[in-house]
Amino acid sequence: GAVVSQHPSRVICKSGTSVKIECRSLDFQATTMFWYRQFPKQSLMLMATSNEGSKATYEQGVEKDKFLINHASLTLSTLTVTSAHPEDSSFYICSARRDRGGFDEQYFGPGTRLTVT
Amino acid sequence: QKEVEQDPGPLSVPEGAIVSLNCTYSNSAFQYFMWYRQYSRKGPELLMYTYSSGNKEDGRFTAQVDKSSKYISLFIRDSQPSDSATYLCAMSEGNAGNMLTFGGGTRLMVKP
Repeated sequence: GAVVSQHPSRVICKSGTSVKIECRSLDFQATTMFWYRQFPKQSLMLMATSNEGSKATYEQGVEKDKFLINHASLTLSTLTVTSAHPEDSSFYICSARRDRGGFDEQYFGPGTRLTVT
Repeated sequence: QKEVEQDPGPLSVPEGAIVSLNCTYSNSAFQYFMWYRQYSRKGPELLMYTYSSGNKEDGRFTAQVDKSSKYISLFIRDSQPSDSATYLCAMSEGNAGNMLTFGGGTRLMVKP
């Protein structure tokens, strides 16, 4: 099956610093990747859609200047949380869309747990 | 009101029981209906998907969609302790490669 990796798996940073999270599709090319956020015991909330070579599309209420997304290649998208605050602490999950000419499927990464102190 | 509603549980059942998980939704434009399984601190993995109304079976799992009632179900037969996880329903207006709207997830515990 298709594999999507995320790095790091967990990170602790101080308030005011920036953190970069990488999402890679290991065995397929993904023109589209998605970034989700999940709070404890809650569901995944879509933050943004990342398209290779173009600007990301952010969902309503998500600050694009705070959550910088770069989809520089067909296998890599990055999410940078700038000037992190404790309320940004969450589980961040990416997914990569695999185009199959019919039912396109999203494959999810294992997630990155961010703790801002 | 959330676009997709799902009972958070937890749902605790003995090993071998039949499990029924459900979601309701309000957006009649949803066409694809997915069930994901998420283990603790891991990303979701796709279990099954159904297009429009109907049933679909895969091993011990059966997915049902009733678009007229805006109600979907996942049945797990002969449940195993390894089935213990959070089950998320998700829906999309296009296929699963497009934007997904998730339910809140139901935590299932299967006790040996």
